[in-house]
Amino acid sequence: GAGVSQSPSNKVTEKGKDVELRCDPISGHTALYWYRQSLGQGLEFLIYFQGNSAPDKSGLPSDRFSAERTGGSVSTLTIQRTQQEDSAVYLCASSFVSRGLNTEAFFGQGTRLTVV
Amino acid sequence: LAKTTQPISMDSYEGQEVNITCSHNNIATNDYITWYQQFPSQGPRFIIQGYKTKVTNEVASLFIPADRKSSTLSLPRVSLSDTAVYYCLVGVSNYQLIWGAGTKLIIKP
Repeated sequence: GAGVSQSPSNKVTEKGKDVELRCDPISGHTALYWYRQSLGQGLEFLIYFQGNSAPDKSGLPSDRFSAERTGGSVSTLTIQRTQQEDSAVYLCASSFVSRGLNTEAFFGQGTRLTVV
Repeated sequence: LAKTTQPISMDSYEGQEVNITCSHNNIATNDYITWYQQFPSQGPRFIIQGYKTKVTNEVASLFIPADRKSSTLSLPRVSLSDTAVYYCLVGVSNYQLIWGAGTKLIIKP
């Protein structure tokens, strides 16, 4: 596609349920990032993929959070046993990586997760 | 990892030039300075990136002094549609960037 696509755009779930968030990056982008953003706050880094491997998972807030990427393309972020504090907008971004340097990251529209 | 300090909010008027300054005293030799723009209910969008001196593109200019401990994003002749949150980021790799709360810029008619 032309841009980074995330689904669903909105998700309301009951506390304790599992949720899966999907990210479809720009074709050819080897790097993929997941972030979380609470209202009025900056982005909180969750995890980074280079190809299918995740060199940096340091931002995952607990073992209830996991992510995978397959075929160097689509990624899913899974939150198990959701809690109310998980409510936020989850953003995905992708980019080229040139010798580890920053290149422009392209963001999706995000998934707004509400845990009730 | 370098942290940045920028004003929480700024106001300006249509047609004015807006300058947003960011402090990054702990910037490392290899770090780049990158600015993103975010509209409500959207993901951030890349504006400009630089290492030193001045960088200009069709949207903005970025001024970086010799000591690189600060940078200034300049938006020429702003319009109402430039109302957004602007983030200043410093680092080498995207996943290492620390996102603060940004500067909320409000453009008035």
